[in-house]
Amino acid sequence: KAGVTQTPRYLIKTRGQQVTLSCSPISGHRSVSWYQQTPGQGLQFLFEYFSETQRNKGNFPGRFSGRQFSNSRSEMNVSTLELGDSALYLCASSLAGTRGDTQYFGPGTRLTVL
Amino acid sequence: AQSVTQPDIHITVSEGASLELRCNYSYGATPYLFWYVQSPGQGLQLLLKYFSGDTLVQGIKGFEAEFKRSQSSFNLRKPSVHWSDAAEYFCAVATGGGNKLTFGTGTQLKVEL
Repeated sequence: KAGVTQTPRYLIKTRGQQVTLSCSPISGHRSVSWYQQTPGQGLQFLFEYFSETQRNKGNFPGRFSGRQFSNSRSEMNVSTLELGDSALYLCASSLAGTRGDTQYFGPGTRLTVL
Repeated sequence: AQSVTQPDIHITVSEGASLELRCNYSYGATPYLFWYVQSPGQGLQLLLKYFSGDTLVQGIKGFEAEFKRSQSSFNLRKPSVHWSDAAEYFCAVATGGGNKLTFGTGTQLKVEL
């Protein structure tokens, strides 16, 4: 089975712009979670989607949003980019998204905000 | 609040030596615990997980971890480290509704040849 794929792998944007990142989960997986990884804050949970519904949300401003499509693919959007949004954004998929369900991570999208 | 502490930011071991990475968690209910590894430029790969039952869990690449409820710990061990084990290791606990993971700050492992 193909793993979790994320596109693009690298992005460079300037402050004030917006960006959309994409994640394709493992076939059959219905839950997709997003995490932000920075040197200062480490790995932080952004949000989780299951069956096109946001089920859980981390402590991030409203500039961060996401959605999930009927084929379980997910996108996350960051509007009005700030320098501090520079990070590795990781997507993870799991079968049912129940607590403890193993999450499989993609390689991430490296976002640089100039 | 749920949290995970990895007290060691950096650890250096010689190839062939044994390894123990420490992880302490804070969680009110029965924890679901994980160890992940991240190589440079890569995503996270699951090494092992603990839900219940036997407190000694075997994982991939020769790793194991022991859950100790009395110490709120879930330390990762490997009897003999290989140079390819050099990476960053993260301990995590599944918390709240859904499948949110709370991660520790990670331990960077360096292996000396």
